[in-house]
Amino acid sequence: QSVLTQPPSASGTPGQRVTISCSGSSSNIGSNTVNWYQQLPGTAPKLLIFSNNQRPSGVPDRFSGSKSGTSASLAISGLQSEDEADYYCAAWDDSLNGQGWVFGGGTKLTVL
Amino acid sequence: EVRLVESGGGLVQPGRSLRLSCAASGFTFDDYGMHWVRQAPGKGLQWVSGINWNSGSIDYTDSVKDRFTISRDNAKNSLYLQMNSLRAEDTALYYCVKSRGRVSLRLAFEIWGQGTMVTVS
Repeated sequence: QSVLTQPPSASGTPGQRVTISCSGSSSNIGSNTVNWYQQLPGTAPKLLIFSNNQRPSGVPDRFSGSKSGTSASLAISGLQSEDEADYYCAAWDDSLNGQGWVFGGGTKLTVL
Repeated sequence: EVRLVESGGGLVQPGRSLRLSCAASGFTFDDYGMHWVRQAPGKGLQWVSGINWNSGSIDYTDSVKDRFTISRDNAKNSLYLQMNSLRAEDTALYYCVKSRGRVSLRLAFEIWGQGTMVTVS
């Protein structure tokens, strides 16, 4: 069971806007920034959003991130077939038992 | 072009050891922290360990503490993961990952290698 909670699946039609949620706690999302990764089928993950809402060079502005309290969201507008992938949120966790990076379980996005 | 190439994976019996290596190129290696992240077959991502630029800050996920050791050789542009007392649950694709920063382990995973598969059976 993952420390961060994501819906296992999401879907949308081309051109639609979809959002993927990521829920955590005060020791991770509540006190640290959130990053999002995209994993296309059969490939290594790729950084999509860092520091809650920053896009690395080359990532289209169709992708956006936000954070509020202990939750974060990834929004994809103008959905395209090539966006079909697994999406993971991640945050540093400062729990009493130790510290380190924690991930969500991943959300499989299907473009219908 | 930034490249991370992992090697050293394979099939190993429970209780045995394995050493993973990651050869980095295309960037100034000692300007960045590095991590290992793994993915069990059909499962999600799990952070394993991280090391900052000068090995002054190192951390591990609880399940590998006292069994795995991360290290780096900046002169050789290489990252390593010594894995001892391997268990079936360590079976995964292990990714070498470049951090966005130098000192803190808390910065995003910027560049990922293609991974090396470790099977414990």
